Amino acid sequence: QKEVEQDPGPLSVPEGAIVSLNCTYSNSAFQYFMWYRQYSRKGPELLMYTYSSGNKEDGRFTAQVDKSSKYISLFIRDSQPSDSATYLCAMRQHGSSNTGKLIFGQGTTLQVKP
Amino acid sequence: DTGVSQNPRHKITKRGQNVTFRCDPISEHNRLYWYRQTLGQGPEFLTYFQNEAQLEKSRLLSDRFSAERPKGSFSTLEIQRTEQGDSAMYLCASSTDRGPTEAFFGQGTRLTVV
Repeated sequence: QKEVEQDPGPLSVPEGAIVSLNCTYSNSAFQYFMWYRQYSRKGPELLMYTYSSGNKEDGRFTAQVDKSSKYISLFIRDSQPSDSATYLCAMRQHGSSNTGKLIFGQGTTLQVKP
Repeated sequence: DTGVSQNPRHKITKRGQNVTFRCDPISEHNRLYWYRQTLGQGPEFLTYFQNEAQLEKSRLLSDRFSAERPKGSFSTLEIQRTEQGDSAMYLCASSTDRGPTEAFFGQGTRLTVV
């Protein structure tokens, strides 16, 4: 079993829809949680970065972390065709011995149709 | 500073040849990472540098792979005697260990071994 599980999709929604993307994980030592967006043949672009549990909002994007359930989510409001991409969740441990290496999910491919 | 820079963007090589990739991190970042990403998968950690010291290597990094970061600035990743299974996107990321520690990725080097 992988440390981080993410449904690869594809997920197809109409323009303007609310999108929900999710990841589950097994390692309770993870403390930092990130969402990256990756367009085809490009490098991952950091969207959201959260520490421990709670919510964080940035424009149309909201990240949620539920450490008790080992479950993280990314919500996209008023989705646009330009949001069509692969969304990667990533996480890492905390502590002075931590190297900062990230463990990624498989990525979810999102298509927003005009 | 415009971010993490990787060269070349694309590399096609014949099986058995050696290849070398370069990464220039964000200038104030002392941490540098290499990841490998195959089609339909999330990035997988290969190795990590803190300044010029290589502090962690994944089991994915076989003896044919070597990475360096002289003087703690740019880094190179060399693959010797390439195999078709080495075909992937090789991603470099950098971060700092002080303050915000988010990792920022370059655009990657896409390697095709024929």
